[in-house]
Amino acid sequence: KAGVTQTPRYLIKTRGQQVTLSCSPISGHRSVSWYQQTPGQGLQFLFEYFSETQRNKGNFPGRFSGRQFSNSRSEMNVSTLELGDSALYLCASSLEGVRYGYTFGSGTRLTVV
Amino acid sequence: SQQGEEDPQALSIQEGENATMNCSYKTSINNLQWYRQNSGRGLVHLILIRSNEREKHSGRLRVTLDTSKKSSSLLITASRAADTASYFCATLNFGNEKLTFGTGTRLTIIP
Repeated sequence: KAGVTQTPRYLIKTRGQQVTLSCSPISGHRSVSWYQQTPGQGLQFLFEYFSETQRNKGNFPGRFSGRQFSNSRSEMNVSTLELGDSALYLCASSLEGVRYGYTFGSGTRLTVV
Repeated sequence: SQQGEEDPQALSIQEGENATMNCSYKTSINNLQWYRQNSGRGLVHLILIRSNEREKHSGRLRVTLDTSKKSSSLLITASRAADTASYFCATLNFGNEKLTFGTGTRLTIIP
């Protein structure tokens, strides 16, 4: 079966712009989580969606937002980009939640210039 | 914030040798999971151990968990060049549904 698909793979944006990243989970998976990975901070939890509802949220500013659609596909949006937002953004899906482990996508590499 | 600290930060061994990585965490956990990440790509789930388990095996992987010491170890036996990657432990705490990742161990297998 198809894995977790993230698009685009690479993105270059300018400070102040906004960006939307997309994630298609494994078919049948209802939980989608997002993580930010940077060399300095490591893997940081952004938020988790389950059946279109945000179930958990990490400690990120309001510029970071997300949503989940009825087909479980998820998007995350970052507004007013800052240089520090440059990171690998990873999406992960699971059947019911992280209790049994995640399947991760390959990530979107965002560079803010 | 990071729950887990991994030790060592980097490890280089000869192909065929065993590799051991350690993870320490701070608060009580529901389960602990290990993931592998090849350079700049997504993470791959390796193994999950629950708080009431002490040891689990999966192929060449062996994971131990000591909840009294709040620590876990991952042993990879008979290492191969393809095992070269970063390895992360991640903890799931009671009462929430988010994994908190450790800092990772960068493993290099020398052919």
